[in-house]
Amino acid sequence: AQSVAQPEDQVKVAEGNPLTVKCTYSVSGNPYLFWYVQYPNRGLQFLLKYITGDNLVKGSYGFEAEFNKSQTSFHLKKPSALVSDSALYFCAVRGGGSYIPTFGRGTSLIVHP
Amino acid sequence: DAGVIQSPRHEVTEMGQEVTLRCKPISGHDYLFWYRQTMMRGLELLIYFNNNVPIDDSGMPEDRFSAKMPNASFSTLKIQPSEPRDSAVYFCASSLTPKESSPLHFGNGTRLTVT
Repeated sequence: AQSVAQPEDQVKVAEGNPLTVKCTYSVSGNPYLFWYVQYPNRGLQFLLKYITGDNLVKGSYGFEAEFNKSQTSFHLKKPSALVSDSALYFCAVRGGGSYIPTFGRGTSLIVHP
Repeated sequence: DAGVIQSPRHEVTEMGQEVTLRCKPISGHDYLFWYRQTMMRGLELLIYFNNNVPIDDSGMPEDRFSAKMPNASFSTLKIQPSEPRDSAVYFCASSLTPKESSPLHFGNGTRLTVT
C-alpha cells in the first residue's frame, strides 16, 4: 500500500520569504512523486515530479522540490514567496506497480504581503 | 489544447433528483479518473477507466453512483437518486499512457449542491 502525509494543514509566510510545504510518503519500490496546486474554483494543476536522478527537481512558477530517500520526504520549496502563490498544494505518490496516485490531504499556503 | 472539460460548472438540485456530470478528456489520453473533493474527506478516487473500460470502481460510494465512458472523448458520472451528502466538487482527470510518471490533468470540476 502507498500513502502520503502532509503534516501541516496550513502554512503562512510573508511575501519575499522562502517557503516550504512538507510531504512524506510510503511506497514499496521506487517512488514517483508529484506536486499539484489548486487555486480557488479550479482543478488541480501539475507543478513538478520526481522520477529518478537529481534529488532537486525544478517545476513551474519557480517552485522546486527536494527528494530525500532516507527520510522518505519530498518537500516543496520556493526561495521567495509571492502573494499569488496562495493556494492549496497536494503531494501525490505512485509506485509499487500501481498506476493510481495517492494524494495527500493538501496544505493551504497563505502568503501575506 | 483545451484541457479537460467538465460540465456543468455548478449544479443545484433537490434530493431525489437524478444528476449527470459530464467530462471530455484531453485527446489522446487513455486513462480517465473521477474524483470527489470535500472538506471532510479531501480528494477521493471514485472510479477510473482505461481505453473506455472501467478498471476499478471500488471508490464509488453506493449503487446510486454510476459512471460510463461510451467513447474516448466522453464520460459521465450519474447519481440517482441524489442526496444532500453527495454535495461536493467532482473532478474528472485524464492521463497519458500507463506510465507511473505521467501526471494527471484535471478539469475545473463540477460543484454539486443537493438540497
